[in-house]
Amino acid sequence: GAGVSQSPRYKVAKRGQDVALRCDPISGHVSLFWYQQALGQGPEFLTYFQNEAQLDKSGLPSDRFFAERPEGSVSTLKIQRTQQEDSAVYLCASSLVRVKVGPSGNTIYFGEGSWLTVV
Amino acid sequence: AQSVTQLDSHVSVSEGTPVLLRCNYSSSYSPSLFWYVQHPNKGLQLLLKYTSAATLVKGINGFEAEFKKSETSFHLTKPSAHMSDAAEYFCVVSDGFQKLVFGTGTRLLVSP
Repeated sequence: GAGVSQSPRYKVAKRGQDVALRCDPISGHVSLFWYQQALGQGPEFLTYFQNEAQLDKSGLPSDRFFAERPEGSVSTLKIQRTQQEDSAVYLCASSLVRVKVGPSGNTIYFGEGSWLTVV
Repeated sequence: AQSVTQLDSHVSVSEGTPVLLRCNYSSSYSPSLFWYVQHPNKGLQLLLKYTSAATLVKGINGFEAEFKKSETSFHLTKPSAHMSDAAEYFCVVSDGFQKLVFGTGTRLLVSP
């Protein structure tokens, strides 16, 4: 597609429910990122994939959060036993090649996000 | 560790007047710096990024930013605000690889 596509755009989950958020990166993009944006805050890094390999998951807040990208394209962020503090916008982003985001590096393109509300 | 501080949570200007959004950074080495804009219910869009070749960086839609190492600043400016500029602006520093570290954002309000 023309841009990074995320679904669902809006999700309301009951506390304790499992949710899955999908990301379709720009076709051919090797690098894929997940960020979490709480209300009134800037996005915070969750995890990073290069193709199907999850190279950094240091930002995942707990073991209830799990991300995968089994075929190196579409990615899913899964949150188990959701809590109210998980309410946020989850942003997916992709980049063409192995990322070096310095001055000569690649641009990272963001999707519009999945808005999760846990009630 | 890298971090950025956006000094104003909200900035209000009138259409046609200059815009200044302030950002200070902290980095243990030569940083990579960016400004992103986020319109309501839209994805983050890159406005500009710092290249070491020039301290004054020009971006899209008439925005520019100046890298000042001595002041550890990377303020965003525009000579004349337009109504369509109303949005949330994020100053961002990178660790040089996959992680972008965002500031808390500045909401720009533009009145007629």
